[in-house]
Amino acid sequence: AQSVTQPDIHITVSEGASLELRCNYSYGATPYLFWYVQSPGQGLQLLLKYFSGDTLVQGIKGFEAEFKRSQSSFNLRKPSVHWSDAAEYFCAVGLLSGGYNKLIFGAGTRLAVHP
Amino acid sequence: NAGVTQTPKFRVLKTGQSMTLLCAQDMNHEYMYWYRQDPGMGLRLIHYSVGEGTTAKGEVPDGYNVSRLKKQNFLLGLESAAPSQTSVYFCASRGLAYEQYFGPGTRLTVT
Repeated sequence: AQSVTQPDIHITVSEGASLELRCNYSYGATPYLFWYVQSPGQGLQLLLKYFSGDTLVQGIKGFEAEFKRSQSSFNLRKPSVHWSDAAEYFCAVGLLSGGYNKLIFGAGTRLAVHP
Repeated sequence: NAGVTQTPKFRVLKTGQSMTLLCAQDMNHEYMYWYRQDPGMGLRLIHYSVGEGTTAKGEVPDGYNVSRLKKQNFLLGLESAAPSQTSVYFCASRGLAYEQYFGPGTRLTVT
């Protein structure tokens, strides 16, 4: 069955430090891959997406992610974290199942940023 | 261009009461979705719609019904609310590149 795993439930980093959030997926073919961010009390905002081509994709707010087929991973990175990046981050896989396109979400990683 | 909007933002129901959540999008998207979000479980798909007049079940459809009478609106109904339906509900619509755009959510508490 298709699944998305985000191994880290909580991560704390210091402001200005680099960040990497992990995401692994289980799917037979190359899926569409997404990262979303959710600030407290808000909906989900799309950070970036991967469909094909260059395996390093750039997103909004200075985030990037790298697709590694051999590791079935799509990790999110940011070179220097800002206090406003504190939020919950969701990795998602988009796939065709039962005749429709759907997203399967990971359980999320909550990011805290220390000043 | 408001994107995806949801009403109401908050609601408290007693067990057995009914209610309807409204989702509206102004992006002319065909696909719309209803999710629920519970701590530690990410988002789970309740129902979805591939166009006006068509709906289908997602992963956790029991206890919910939906209708898509107009392309821009997608309604989620709870006929007899249960405490297990306490959750945050999100509506989304899908763009041409398969990305989904989410509304701000409705926080529902069933006592």
